[in-house]
Amino acid sequence: DQQVKQNSPSLSVQEGRISILNCDYTNSMFDYFLWYKKYPAEGPTFLISISSIKDKNEDGRFTVFLNKSAKHLSLHIVPSQPGDSAVYFCAASAGPGTASKLTFGTGTRLQVTL
Amino acid sequence: GAGVSQSPSNKVTEKGKDVELRCDPISGHTALYWYRQRLGQGLEFLIYFQGNSAPDKSGLPSDRFSAERTGESVSTLTIQRTQQEDSAVYLCASSLGGVSYEQYFGPGTRLTVT
Repeated sequence: DQQVKQNSPSLSVQEGRISILNCDYTNSMFDYFLWYKKYPAEGPTFLISISSIKDKNEDGRFTVFLNKSAKHLSLHIVPSQPGDSAVYFCAASAGPGTASKLTFGTGTRLQVTL
Repeated sequence: GAGVSQSPSNKVTEKGKDVELRCDPISGHTALYWYRQRLGQGLEFLIYFQGNSAPDKSGLPSDRFSAERTGESVSTLTIQRTQQEDSAVYLCASSLGGVSYEQYFGPGTRLTVT
């Protein structure tokens, strides 16, 4: 039962253009969503998060959008840079305001080309 | 910097042997998590420790898997009688706990069962 789904295993974008990574979830109890970035042979690193009380959160080149009615979130990277090439994981938590386990998607491999 | 560290980085073992994986969390982080990532799949939650509370073991796949944590320090994940399907990267993460959801991951231990 995959509660967090990233249906695109890979994405290729030209440098300078926008990258849009998508994520869908099924559990309506999820109230906090995060994106992690992972380079080969390294652990995932936190990128950006959003609470279910918001529909948008922006941090520099990264913006996360949340559509609760559609149970969908997306990560926008603009402009994309070659260093953004990595695997991006969407994660969700149903914690009651305390640290809780994260449910991860299967990841999307982003390749930013020159 | 003093991030999450894991050892060994790589472990090759024969089917049927026991293995022990170690995680050193960031100092002061009360929450500690173990995940695993099998080839081509997302991160799969295994177990969660929060302070002195009983651990959340709901993600452990079988009774061959166990984990311990002494206080708010080192944790060990033990897999008994390893099977080939246990081959994966085992990732440890820690966080401040409480309302902080950002988990900081270690580089992982790549376990190969032959």
